[in-house]
Amino acid sequence: AQSVTQPDIHITVSEGASLELRCNYSYGATPYLFWYVQSPGQGLQLLLKYFSGDTLVQGIKGFEAEFKRSQSSFNLRKPSVHWSDAAEYFCAALTSGYALNFGKGTSLLVTP
Amino acid sequence: GAGVSQSPSNKVTEKGKDVELRCDPISGHTALYWYRQSLGQGLEFLIYFQGNSAPDKSGLPSDRFSAERTGGSVSTLTIQRTQQEDSAVYLCASSSFGLAGASSGANVLTFGAGSRLTVL
Repeated sequence: AQSVTQPDIHITVSEGASLELRCNYSYGATPYLFWYVQSPGQGLQLLLKYFSGDTLVQGIKGFEAEFKRSQSSFNLRKPSVHWSDAAEYFCAALTSGYALNFGKGTSLLVTP
Repeated sequence: GAGVSQSPSNKVTEKGKDVELRCDPISGHTALYWYRQSLGQGLEFLIYFQGNSAPDKSGLPSDRFSAERTGGSVSTLTIQRTQQEDSAVYLCASSSFGLAGASSGANVLTFGAGSRLTVL
C-alpha cells in the first residue's frame, strides 16, 4: 500500500543547531513530495515541494529538502534552527488520484 | 477571500447530535478538500471536490459523514449522529487546480485553520 512514514514522532534540538526531519515513502512510482508545517492553532503551511528535476529543493523559512530515489526518502533540513521553528512538520506524497497522503507528523521542540 | 476560512473554529456537541462544519475556499479555487486530524495522527483524507465533477468520497469513514459544495464555492461537511470517535480537527483546503495537474507546479493546497470538534 502507498504510504508516507515519518519515523520520528518527536525531535528536540537546541536553538542554533542543525535539523533534519526524516520522511520515507512507499509508492510504486516516484510521487510528488511536499513538506508542510503546522504551528499551534494554525493551519498547514507549505514549506516546499518536489515534482521533478533538481533533487535539492529550497523552501521558505530557510528550509531545504533532498529527494533520494535510492532511499525513497525526502528529508527536510535546516542549518540553524530558530525558536519560532517549533511546530509540527508533515511530509506528504501524491501520485495518481487526487488525495494528498500525509505522514503522521514530527513534533519539533526547540530549546534555548 | 485572502485565505481559506473555516467555521466554527470550535464545536462541542453531545453524542448523537448532528453537526455542520463550513469551509469558504480561496476565491477562484476550483478544488476543495476535507481532511481529518485526530490527536497524534496524521491527516486523513475525507473528500475532494473539483469543479463540477462528481466528488471523490472515498475517504469518508461512514455514511454518517457527507459533504456538499454549493455553487462551486462554499462547502459544508455534515456529521450525523456524532460519536466520540468523531472528535478531531477537521481541515479544509483549496487549490487552483486539481492535483492531477500537479506537474504544472501550480497546484498546491492552501489550508484553513480547522474546526475542532469535541463530542461528549
